[in-house]
Amino acid sequence: SSELTQDPAVSVALGQTVRITCQGDSLRNNYANWYRQKPGQAPVVVIHGNNNRPSGIPDRFSGSSSGDTASLTITGTQAEDEAVYSCNSRDSSGHHYVFGPGTKVTVL
Amino acid sequence: QVQLVESGGGVVQPGSSLRLSCAASGFTFSSYAMHWVRQAPGKGLQWVALISHDGTDIYYADSVKGRFTVSRDNSKNTLYLQVNSLRAEDTAVYYCARDSWFGSCDPWGQGTLVTVSS
Repeated sequence: SSELTQDPAVSVALGQTVRITCQGDSLRNNYANWYRQKPGQAPVVVIHGNNNRPSGIPDRFSGSSSGDTASLTITGTQAEDEAVYSCNSRDSSGHHYVFGPGTKVTVL
Repeated sequence: QVQLVESGGGVVQPGSSLRLSCAASGFTFSSYAMHWVRQAPGKGLQWVALISHDGTDIYYADSVKGRFTVSRDNSKNTLYLQVNSLRAEDTAVYYCARDSWFGSCDPWGQGTLVTVSS
């Protein structure tokens, strides 16, 4: 079955830029979506379709994808961006979905 | 506004069954496919199932296939997940989510906690 891998954790200084990556074979042929999840809350999509930002998501969030790797970049990271960020995509079959394990972003 | 509200979770013994519900409002429920996604305590998100807008196409994660059944009642704007033969490893918060742009899950409900324990 398809898997997506992410680094478990990353830290970033307030106001700086952080890049989170998501790797997996399914990303070669499927869009990547990114979710932010704060403790005790449901996930919220911050990027869909590799690089599209839903309405209401600040423009400091951006996404990209190349080959088997998708990336989420937060430019000018704010304290409220501290959260777990998870990627997902359809798997190779196109009918199942897969999530990455999540990356915990700590803002210093 | 678009809202999804799950219910039906609880504490059950191994081997038990539950039916989870997800009440949708604020959008044309019958036009959208819907997902179930779960999250074990302290763990990442795990996709569980997808049901098409009219219920004719259903897909399950291998880990739940044969034990879980997803269904929907478009007349009641409600999504269901029947969970049978529950195991300790099924302990999780179960979320429903609307299938959205590019296969994303958006939005999500607040989740309902299922705890399987003897």
